[in-house]
Amino acid sequence: GDSVTQMEGPVTLSEEAFLTINCTYTATGYPSLFWYVQYPGEGLQLLLKATKADDKGSNKGFEATYRKETTSFHLEKGSVQVSDSAVYFCALSDNAGNMLTFGGGTRLMVKP
Amino acid sequence: ETGVTQSPTHLIKTRGQQVTLRCSSQSGHNTVSWYQQALGQGPQFIFQYYREEENGRGNFPPRFSGLQFPNYSSELNVNALELDDSALYLCASSLTGQIYGYTFGSGTRLTVV
Repeated sequence: GDSVTQMEGPVTLSEEAFLTINCTYTATGYPSLFWYVQYPGEGLQLLLKATKADDKGSNKGFEATYRKETTSFHLEKGSVQVSDSAVYFCALSDNAGNMLTFGGGTRLMVKP
Repeated sequence: ETGVTQSPTHLIKTRGQQVTLRCSSQSGHNTVSWYQQALGQGPQFIFQYYREEENGRGNFPPRFSGLQFPNYSSELNVNALELDDSALYLCASSLTGQIYGYTFGSGTRLTVV
């Protein structure tokens, strides 16, 4: 079945540091790929998405590129802020678009 | 527009009991999906409802069941609760299964003792 693997956390960075959170996937067909963010006590918020190979999703300074050859969708940000502290989930959708398969999540802690 | 509302926010139940969780979908959305998020893990798909019918199910036993009502709100029912059912239960609504437009609620934290 489909699966998503992302780097374990926590990831601890100083403010303005560069962020990379690795995500790889296994899926049949051509899934869409997503990054979600979860702040404490809240539900999931869609951060960015990409629907086909070589697409780049971007939002709020975060970027991720759909790499079919390496089955990856790594999340990057050039300069993190304390307010970016949260748990980040990589996910893919099935071909029918009925369900999301999530990775285990990566906690990011940004220190001033 | 209102977002997805879940109730209650927290719940404590005893092993073997039954529980009902509720979800009001975002205005204009007609599809509701439920996810279970155990502590420290990613959410796992339980099932989806569209037009009051189950429209896809994950690897969960039959004691997990659901309903969708004509106003698109939904319930998740869990019978014979087990300790491992302790988790955050997330509801997400969307329009006609368009996964790009999922809106998640804040969840119900269920603790089984």
